[in-house]
Amino acid sequence: AQSVTQLDSQVPVFEEAPVELRCNYSSSVSVYLFWYVQYPNQGLQLLLKYLSGSTLVKGINGFEAEFNKSQTSFHLRKPSVHISDTAEYFCAVSRLGEKLTFGTGTRLTIIP
Amino acid sequence: KAGVTQTPRYLIKTRGQQVTLSCSPISGHRSVSWYQQTPGQGLQFLFEYFSETQRNKGNFPGRFSGRQFSNSRSEMNVSTLELGDSALYLCASSLVESIGAGEAFFGQGTRLTVV
Repeated sequence: AQSVTQLDSQVPVFEEAPVELRCNYSSSVSVYLFWYVQYPNQGLQLLLKYLSGSTLVKGINGFEAEFNKSQTSFHLRKPSVHISDTAEYFCAVSRLGEKLTFGTGTRLTIIP
Repeated sequence: KAGVTQTPRYLIKTRGQQVTLSCSPISGHRSVSWYQQTPGQGLQFLFEYFSETQRNKGNFPGRFSGRQFSNSRSEMNVSTLELGDSALYLCASSLVESIGAGEAFFGQGTRLTVV
């Protein structure tokens, strides 16, 4: 079964600074990869997804992620964060016909 | 286009009682999944339905059950509630047959508190 590791449980970043949230997955076969964001008292919203094709994936709100098969990573990046980016971010992995498996989440805190 | 609707948003139940949560997917979506979210365990998969058939099931006791109706609406039921069942229960729907192969749209969740 596939699994996801989010290496940082909390990441504080100054406003307008860049950020990288790390995600590593374990699977020996082709996988689909996702990043979701959860704002307080809300459900999850898809930021971006990698199904196939270009390894650099662009999502909403200025986020992007790069699929690295050799390092089994799918790190999320944003060049300049805003206060409104304060939320919890979840990396998820799946395979065709299987469930989404989520990481434990990274709480991103933006410092004014 | 309406999103995924979960009802109720908040629920308080007593140990030993049972509870039913409802999820209405986005119109046209036939795949529905349920997740339990707790601070200690994170997001844990409960079940997935497509066209009224359960496709996948997570590692939860038999007290947790679900079903999907012909209009794709789904319900989950928890019987004999325990304190540890307190959680945010999230429902997600997808246009594609396998929710893991496409974009999953999540509802705002039902916050269940067991006292």
